[in-house]
Amino acid sequence: DVKVTQSSRYLVKRTGEKVFLECVQDMDHENMFWYRQDPGLGLRLIYFSYDVKMKEKGDIPEGYSVSREKKERFSLILESTSTNQTSMYLCASSLGTENTGELFFGEGSRLTVL
Amino acid sequence: GQNIDQPTEMTATEGAIVQINCTYQTSGFNGLFWYQQHAGEAPTFLSYNVLDGLEEKGRFSSFLSRSKGYSYLLLKELQMKDSASYLCAVLDSNYQLIWGAGTKLIIKP
Repeated sequence: DVKVTQSSRYLVKRTGEKVFLECVQDMDHENMFWYRQDPGLGLRLIYFSYDVKMKEKGDIPEGYSVSREKKERFSLILESTSTNQTSMYLCASSLGTENTGELFFGEGSRLTVL
Repeated sequence: GQNIDQPTEMTATEGAIVQINCTYQTSGFNGLFWYQQHAGEAPTFLSYNVLDGLEEKGRFSSFLSRSKGYSYLLLKELQMKDSASYLCAVLDSNYQLIWGAGTKLIIKP
């Protein structure tokens, strides 16, 4: 079974602090994604990557950056958190040179910014 | 713009059948997906439709009509463990998934 592991399940930070969310997948998937999930809204894509060292902006990249130095690892960085970044962050991966749509998700990281 | 609509919440009885609808307007179409998400857990893949018609997988079936921009997920013989949110998503012409807000399904004994 594919396993996608996110480093932190729950985090509480103060406004302006830096947050580093790490995601690791163990099935050699090419594609990795970071989403945020908020009540009443669909999953919103922050950044994605189809290859090592490659990154593409999603629909809501402002306030976020990412890093993919190794194929299995995709990190989301919030340099200076704000309260509107309080959310559930979901990492996902998929096989293939393009997004096939069948995603494998991590358990999520719930971030609260005070 | 791109849009996916599905009901916010539905209630059904254990043992019954429920149909969750999804309508979409997207830039291109490369398939429609249903995911299940239990409270506090990650979404998991349920089904995929790219051609018109019904795909059956055990107690779950998914239907697609591309001309109508419409899909439904049919759950039969409902069990309490089916209480979850069901997410509809469309893969657009750029191979990006466009997500609906999800339908919270409540199963009552």
